[in-house]
Amino acid sequence: AQKITQTQPGMFVQEKEAVTLDCTYDTSDQSYGLFWYKQPSSGEMIFLIYQGSYDEQNATEGRYSLNFQKARKSANLVISASQLGDSAIALYFCAMRDIADNQGGKLIFGQGTELSVKP
Amino acid sequence: EPEVTQTPSHQVTQMGQEVILRCVPISNHLYFYWYRQILGQKVEFLVSFYNNEISEKSEIFDDQFSVERPDGSNFTLKIRSTKLEDSAMYFCASSEVGFSNQPQHFGDGTRLSIL
Repeated sequence: AQKITQTQPGMFVQEKEAVTLDCTYDTSDQSYGLFWYKQPSSGEMIFLIYQGSYDEQNATEGRYSLNFQKARKSANLVISASQLGDSAIALYFCAMRDIADNQGGKLIFGQGTELSVKP
Repeated sequence: EPEVTQTPSHQVTQMGQEVILRCVPISNHLYFYWYRQILGQKVEFLVSFYNNEISEKSEIFDDQFSVERPDGSNFTLKIRSTKLEDSAMYFCASSEVGFSNQPQHFGDGTRLSIL
């Protein structure tokens, strides 16, 4: 069974500094996708970045990049130059999807990491 | 940018009552999903829907739950006889294809409170 683990329940970062949010995963599948979502205090889920298991380069999307280490089964999110707008109180979720699954590809989520950006 | 819309944003219902949560997925999307998030916990998959039928469901999605796409735009989740433990945020999501690098786009959620 697929599993996502986020071991940091809460993180603090100074504004304009970089922060890394950890995510490890467990799967026996060869083809899978890893996603990061942000959930601000208002509750909506915002897609941030995607990494495919066969992608040779780490994904980047603006200030977000993914440190993908396939052998270690980790997909850490790096936020460069944190902004106050990155949190207030925001949860960051790592999620995995079996992209060879023809049943619709449900997302399996981790427990989330709450990020607080300090001015 | 097109988005998934969910109504209502907050629903308060007496235990034992039926509730219908509504979603309008993005118009050219083919795969639809419901997830729930109990307060303080992680997001859990309930059901996926494609081509007018359920493609996968979790153990949470028991006989009390049903989904329907009554017309070309709406996608609904019905809970037949609500329990206290059904209190949660319910998210609808859609994606263009079911097995690719396309992300699932989420609605803002419906907060369901069972009294």
